[in-house]
Amino acid sequence: DAKTTQPNSMESNEEEPVHLPCNHSTISGTDYIHWYRQLPSQGPEYVIHGLTSNVNNRMASLAIAEDRKSSTLILHRATLRDAAVYYCILSPRFSGGGADGLTFGKGTHLIIQP
Amino acid sequence: DTGVSQNPRHKITKRGQNVTFRCDPISEHNRLYWYRQTLGQGPEFLTYFQNEAQLEKSRLLSDRFSAERPKGSFSTLEIQRTEQGDSAMYLCASSLVSMKQFFGPGTRLTVL
Repeated sequence: DAKTTQPNSMESNEEEPVHLPCNHSTISGTDYIHWYRQLPSQGPEYVIHGLTSNVNNRMASLAIAEDRKSSTLILHRATLRDAAVYYCILSPRFSGGGADGLTFGKGTHLIIQP
Repeated sequence: DTGVSQNPRHKITKRGQNVTFRCDPISEHNRLYWYRQTLGQGPEFLTYFQNEAQLEKSRLLSDRFSAERPKGSFSTLEIQRTEQGDSAMYLCASSLVSMKQFFGPGTRLTVL
């Protein structure tokens, strides 16, 4: 499986934008880029995913480099509730649609300061 | 609440005992996944069902582990002859035909 590299932790201030980087230099052409987050004592929660184009949803934006070797998850205005571990995951498109089992790394522990 | 539910939420057992966990996915989700998470690590994929068919099994799933999804709805994960190394959070997720997996709150297993 192609691997991702993320910083162990990042710190940001409340109400400021947060840019969480992810490197995936061995990504293949069929790999989707997923982001999940896990709040303390909860199961992971889907944030966003994309293939080549930048993506926006109500939670975040995903900026994908032109060569697809890196991506950035953008939280436009962080709140204390965004404090979590953020995982960047590559997954090939399942032949029938959807994703196979996801390979999580250790993720980035995001700390939000009030 | 119509999310993924898991029972029990906590299980304490003695080494050598068998345990069974249950996962109820979101209604009509045809895909169901099991993961295991130890402290400080990300979740590790164990196995995956599409409807009642078990399509993928990780090498982490030793012979002591078995998972079923008999009618394509709820699923059970059984661990036989538990070992202390089995202590972890066991997570279940479900999805429809999409890239988005919905996770349950997990079952925390402690093996004494």
